[in-house]
Amino acid sequence: GAGVSQSPSNKVTEKGKDVELRCDPISGHTALYWYRQSLGQGLEFLIYFQGNSAPDKSGLPSDRFSAERTGGSVSTLTIQRTQQEDSAVYLCASSTRTAGSEAFFGQGTRLTVV
Amino acid sequence: GENVEQHPSTLSVQEGDSAVIKCTYSDSASNYFPWYKQELGKGPQLIIDIRSNVGEKKDQRIAVTLNKTAKHFSLHITETQPEDSAVYFCAAAPQGNLIFGKGTKLSVKP
Repeated sequence: GAGVSQSPSNKVTEKGKDVELRCDPISGHTALYWYRQSLGQGLEFLIYFQGNSAPDKSGLPSDRFSAERTGGSVSTLTIQRTQQEDSAVYLCASSTRTAGSEAFFGQGTRLTVV
Repeated sequence: GENVEQHPSTLSVQEGDSAVIKCTYSDSASNYFPWYKQELGKGPQLIIDIRSNVGEKKDQRIAVTLNKTAKHFSLHITETQPEDSAVYFCAAAPQGNLIFGKGTKLSVKP
């Protein structure tokens, strides 16, 4: 596809379960970002990958959150022992280079923890 | 780290009027300032951006100004139309990352 693809589009999980959210960036994009957007709120930065550099994890809210990017392409955001406050839309974006280029967003994964 | 403040949080204008959204940032290393528009149920989309070596940029009805000394930048939309109604986000990019403001919900009344 031409754009950033995220799956699943919706996920309902029980409190305490682990979830994995997937992001397929645009081919050739070296930068990948994850954000969290709670209902009616802004874009909370979670983690940023750039090429082979160590990721910027400064936005991860707790050690229950982790992310990987395999082969410089697909990324997975994992939330362990989910809690109700984790309910939000998780957005992924990718761009071509380190800075100063357009970031393209996916449609997001809506996570609901019940 | 970078902190981006955005005002106002909501803005209502009449069709044809102008709308202005303002942002400030804290990290003097930031050199790229994009603006995104998010419609309901969709991911944000870039509408205009500006780099630190430029003070103003225009694209039809949309313009952005940047004051690096004061660390603030603004989005100006002229001749607003109902389809401009959406949430607008500013962002600053320190060292490649993108830090967003909390957004402005713009409503354009016909």
